[in-house]
Amino acid sequence: DAGVIQSPRHEVTEMGQEVTLRCKPISGHNSLFWYRQTMMRGLELLIYFNNNVPIDDSGMPEDRFSAKMPNASFSTLKIQPSEPRDSAVYFCASSQSGANVLTFGAGSRLTVL
Amino acid sequence: SQQGEEDPQALSIQEGENATMNCSYKTSINNLQWYRQNSGRGLVHLILIRSNEREKHSGRLRVTLDTSKKSSSLLITASRAADTASYFCATDQNTDKLIFGTGTRLQVFP
Repeated sequence: DAGVIQSPRHEVTEMGQEVTLRCKPISGHNSLFWYRQTMMRGLELLIYFNNNVPIDDSGMPEDRFSAKMPNASFSTLKIQPSEPRDSAVYFCASSQSGANVLTFGAGSRLTVL
Repeated sequence: SQQGEEDPQALSIQEGENATMNCSYKTSINNLQWYRQNSGRGLVHLILIRSNEREKHSGRLRVTLDTSKKSSSLLITASRAADTASYFCATDQNTDKLIFGTGTRLQVFP
């Protein structure tokens, strides 16, 4: 298995633009997590899905952020419109529900100018 | 808000020395895990300890858990330059939701 695959690895965009980050979890994992990492706030859980259903989105900063998981092998995190304070590394991770051991992707580094 | 706080924030040691990192958390937990993150990479799972366990070993890693003090420690014995990374504890409360601490940056000098 290639592990958790995220794209793009790097994205530089201007304030106000829409950003879409993508994630392919490990086959057979039924839980998927989106985290954001910054120097100031550390690793923050934004949202997680179980069997493609959003379970807890209490960490999503505001309405500009949305996440979807249309099927077991794909998830997106969208920011519209983006702002400079959204600059961070966004990680996707997956696990088998109940096992609680996460496998992380390499991350998507977002810079909003 | 973050569940765990690691201490120290940064640690520098020489190869061959032992490195000890501590994690404190706020509420009752089901499991506690430790992860490692190399610069520019995603986190990698190291070890999981359940709330009814007090100590666990994996290779050069030793983890302890004291639920009465809501704290855990990670000991890396005979450290190597390749152990240079950030180390995070993470806790869950009998759900899939995993909350990470603030991390300890470990630098091992050859």
